[in-house]
Amino acid sequence: AQSVSQHNHHVILSEAASLELGCNYSYGGTVNLFWYVQYPGQHLQLLLKYFSGDPLVKGIKGFEAEFIKSKFSFNLRKPSVQWSDTAEYFCAVRGYNKLIFGAGTRLAVHP
Amino acid sequence: NAGVTQTPKFRILKIGQSMTLQCTQDMNHNYMYWYRQDPGMGLKLIYYSVGAGITDKGEVPNGYNVSRSTTEDFPLRLELAAPSQTSVYFCASSPPTETGNTIYFGEGSWLTVV
Repeated sequence: AQSVSQHNHHVILSEAASLELGCNYSYGGTVNLFWYVQYPGQHLQLLLKYFSGDPLVKGIKGFEAEFIKSKFSFNLRKPSVQWSDTAEYFCAVRGYNKLIFGAGTRLAVHP
Repeated sequence: NAGVTQTPKFRILKIGQSMTLQCTQDMNHNYMYWYRQDPGMGLKLIYYSVGAGITDKGEVPNGYNVSRSTTEDFPLRLELAAPSQTSVYFCASSPPTETGNTIYFGEGSWLTVV
């Protein structure tokens, strides 16, 4: 069965710190991988996506993610976070037809 | 472009009542999804559809029903509302998976069952 696991439920950082959020998935076939962000009171917004090609993908707002097929991972990174990055982050995996989300990671960035 | 439109945005139901959450997309997408989002639980897939006349269960289908009579519409039906169905519901749509395109979400429907 298709599943997604996000390792950190809550992350607290100071501004300018580096960020890495872990995401692992299980699925036997070809996958599309996504990271979404949800700011307080808002709906989901796409940060970045991976379908094929270069496993290092760059998204909006300075975020990037690396697909490591051998580890079934798709970790999200940002070199220097800002207070405005405070939000909840969701990893998602689309297998044959279904799009499945991880439980999310709440990021709080302190000034 | 309207994108994915959900109605209503907010609703309070009494236990045992029924209601339908409407979802419409104007992008001619084949794929449509319904999710619920509970605090700390992420988004759970309720039902999905790969085209008109075709629906399938997701991770948490119990207590819900769907239909897909047209490409544009994918309503979600709650027959006997229960407090456990208090949640935020999101509808989404996308082109076929092999085209490499993204998924578009509606703005959510907040449902409270009391």
